[in-house]
Amino acid sequence: GAGVSQSPSNKVTEKGKDVELRCDPISGHTALYWYRQSLGQGLEFLIYFQGNSAPDKSGLPSDRFSAERTGGSVSTLTIQRTQQEDSAVYLCASSRRAQGARDTIYFGEGSWLTVV
Amino acid sequence: LAKTTQPISMDSYEGQEVNITCSHNNIATNDYITWYQQFPSQGPRFIIQGYKTKVTNEVASLFIPADRKSSTLSLPRVSLSDTAVYYCLVGDLRSGYSTLTFGKGTMLLVSP
Repeated sequence: GAGVSQSPSNKVTEKGKDVELRCDPISGHTALYWYRQSLGQGLEFLIYFQGNSAPDKSGLPSDRFSAERTGGSVSTLTIQRTQQEDSAVYLCASSRRAQGARDTIYFGEGSWLTVV
Repeated sequence: LAKTTQPISMDSYEGQEVNITCSHNNIATNDYITWYQQFPSQGPRFIIQGYKTKVTNEVASLFIPADRKSSTLSLPRVSLSDTAVYYCLVGDLRSGYSTLTFGKGTMLLVSP
């Protein structure tokens, strides 16, 4: 696609429910990243994929968070048993490659999650 | 990881030049300096990237002194639409962007 596409753009869920957030990276981009941004805060790194594998999961805040990527393209971030502190914008980004020469990452518009 | 420090906020008027300085005292040899811009309700957008001296593109200039312990993003003749948060990132691109840390950025407010 022309840009990084994320869905849903907005999600309101009840505490304790599971949610899935989807990211469709730019076509041909092998690296994919998930970040979280709480209101008025900077971006918090969650996880990144190179192809279908996730070499760095260090940012996932708890075992309620998981992510997968299939076919080297679409990625899904799953939050189980959501808590109110999970409310944030979840941003996905992609880049042509994660290592090597200078590269640029491109962000989607984000998925706004509100846990009530 | 290289830690960055930038002003929390800056104010300017339309038509003025704005310079936002970022400190990164422990920058490593392989680290690049990248600046992103984020508008409300949008994801960050790449502005400019550099390693040393000066880099210029159609949007901004990036000045990096010889010791590379700081960098200055220069926005010429800002307009109201330049009101945004600007993030300075420092990291080794060979390790991928997972090693880059976004701080809270600098909130630039441009007034008429």
